[in-house]
Amino acid sequence: TQLLEQSPQFLSIQEGENLTVYCNSSSVFSSLQWYRQEPGEGPVLLVTVVTGGEVKKLKRLTFQFGDARKDSSLHITAAQPGDTGLYLCAGRRGGNEKLTFGTGTRLTIIP
Amino acid sequence: DAGVIQSPRHEVTEMGQEVTLRCKPISGHNSLFWYRQTMMRGLELLIYFNNNVPIDDSGMPEDRFSAKMPNASFSTLKIQPSEPRDSAVYFCASSYSDRSSYNEQFFGPGTRLTVL
Repeated sequence: TQLLEQSPQFLSIQEGENLTVYCNSSSVFSSLQWYRQEPGEGPVLLVTVVTGGEVKKLKRLTFQFGDARKDSSLHITAAQPGDTGLYLCAGRRGGNEKLTFGTGTRLTIIP
Repeated sequence: DAGVIQSPRHEVTEMGQEVTLRCKPISGHNSLFWYRQTMMRGLELLIYFNNNVPIDDSGMPEDRFSAKMPNASFSTLKIQPSEPRDSAVYFCASSYSDRSSYNEQFFGPGTRLTVL
């Protein structure tokens, strides 16, 4: 059973376009993280959101945690080729330090 | 800091052979995680340690898999005997965790395992 479903699974867009990636669950998470993974490397943390409704910005990336802490979104403005990679959301439940990773969104930005 | 170090980076072996993957966490980190990544199942947690003690091994697929952490700077994941379905990229990650917060997990570069 996959607790965190991401959509879309694959996304290929032109440089300069905007996009949104979604991470959905029926479970409540105490915190949620977004990671980016490039080929041949491990995932790298982008952001952690903790409070329901929280919005965090990282340059052209905007992350939002759902009010009920069951879902999250990642919006990229004016996508660049350097944004290409596998985006993973990961949730933490209760006081457990164990992370459950989402199914992933493979993003390709075409120059 | 060198980051999380994993070895080997690539391993090709034949079905039935024993495979040992190694990990050196970031100095000062007290939690260590072993993950497996495949196209079909994504990134799955196999086991994690806190202060060298296994806390949750519910993700270990079966008895053929075992993990040890003899000290704070070294961990191994062993598969014996290996099977073709074990082919995947295995990641080790470490973090510093205390009672008040759980911090970022830093991932190693992974070991790509192919079992023929």
